[in-house]
Amino acid sequence: QVQLQESGPGLVKPSGTLSLTCVVSGGSFSGTNWWSWVRQSPGRGLEWIGEAHHSGTTNYNPSLKSRVTVSLDMSKNQLSLKLTSLTAADTAKYYCVKHLGLTFDSWGPGTLVTVSS
Amino acid sequence: EIVLTQSPGTLSLSPGERATLSCRANQNVRSLTWYQQKPGQAPRVLIYGTSSRASGIPDRFSGGGSGTDFTLTISRLEPEDFAVYFCQVYGFSPPGYTFGQGTKLEIK
Repeated sequence: QVQLQESGPGLVKPSGTLSLTCVVSGGSFSGTNWWSWVRQSPGRGLEWIGEAHHSGTTNYNPSLKSRVTVSLDMSKNQLSLKLTSLTAADTAKYYCVKHLGLTFDSWGPGTLVTVSS
Repeated sequence: EIVLTQSPGTLSLSPGERATLSCRANQNVRSLTWYQQKPGQAPRVLIYGTSSRASGIPDRFSGGGSGTDFTLTISRLEPEDFAVYFCQVYGFSPPGYTFGQGTKLEIK
């Protein structure tokens, strides 16, 4: 059973950059699986941010595409998220997620990020 | 862009009753996934491919529908079923994943 654990700063400043990592254990990045970041806030609900595959292919939510980078580090079994030009609207709980087909079948516990000065 | 609308926003029922949750898309979709989320926890998948139960999900949970209208049915509510439920789809234009806003199932 794969396990995912997110980590990162709990508080970031407006206009700054958010960097999150997710350590994956009990599973491998190889194969057909895709890996995503999903965030959740009271105002925006659940929102898919972007996904990555071990082949190097990435896809992003069009509404965030200009500010997002999702990447895999195969050597560290880590999924990473970088989100730039932060505003208060980016305050949310961020989840690392493994796909099974088009379904998000394994989720990390999430990490809360607050954007505030 | 696919938009999913869930109804009702809140559903108040008693244990033992039947719950029917709706998810409507603004365009035809191939299949749909349902998730359950309890306070302080991440969502977990209940139903994928519209009607297939995920591993370990009791058979009181069932999913159905096609096109733009989908339902999640819980045949007899257990105390642990009171939670928030989300639907989710994948769209091709633009490509990406969309969630509904959720239905809160609360104890009456």
